[in-house]
Amino acid sequence: QVQLQESGPGLVKPSQTLSLTCTVSGGSISSGDCYWSWIRHLPGKGLEWIGYIYYTAHTDYNPSLKSRLTISIDTSKNHFSLDLSSVTAADTALYFCARDRGHLSSHHAFDVWGHGTMVTVSS
Amino acid sequence: DIQMTQSPSSLSASVGDRVTITCQASQDITNSLNWYHQKPGKAPKLLIYDASNLETGVPSRFTGSGSGTDFTFTIHSLQPEDIATYYCQQYHTLPRTFGQGTKVEVK
Repeated sequence: QVQLQESGPGLVKPSQTLSLTCTVSGGSISSGDCYWSWIRHLPGKGLEWIGYIYYTAHTDYNPSLKSRLTISIDTSKNHFSLDLSSVTAADTALYFCARDRGHLSSHHAFDVWGHGTMVTVSS
Repeated sequence: DIQMTQSPSSLSASVGDRVTITCQASQDITNSLNWYHQKPGKAPKLLIYDASNLETGVPSRFTGSGSGTDFTFTIHSLQPEDIATYYCQQYHTLPRTFGQGTKVEVK
């Protein structure tokens, strides 16, 4: 079965770029039937969808983050990545990667999640 | 963005009780609504998709209903392992958005 694993630094300085990678195992990132998403859980708040990427490199981003956000994919390494620039303390969160199924059926759901990685923005 | 409003924000119930959570969308999302629960420090888990379909492997005590703007999630017999925060999520329109969550505790 498909499993996801986030990796990246747990501490980022303000104004720098937060970079995370999600490695997909147990299946191909190029399967074509799903999108690969980033979602974060802000402390004391709820869940926020960051954006997703399809294996063709098509992306859609949350407008609230779009100006600072890049999501990319490397099909040869079976992983996708998140770069969030000019971070502030407000970007401190538990970051998840997740599979958004339903590309073909249009019945979308986040059905597989990574364990999550905590990122703190602090000097 | 479509706003998803859940109520209540928290509740406490006894083992065996029926628990109901509501979720209201700021516009018609047909049945494009999923339910998850999340335990502290863990990833959310998909429970219900397309408003009323039980995800494979999820206990049948969890049900969902509704369409349009008003949705309901029910735990028919609360178990100790159901302690979690429950979220609704719409996928009708980008960006995908979540409700603010309902924290369920056991008395």
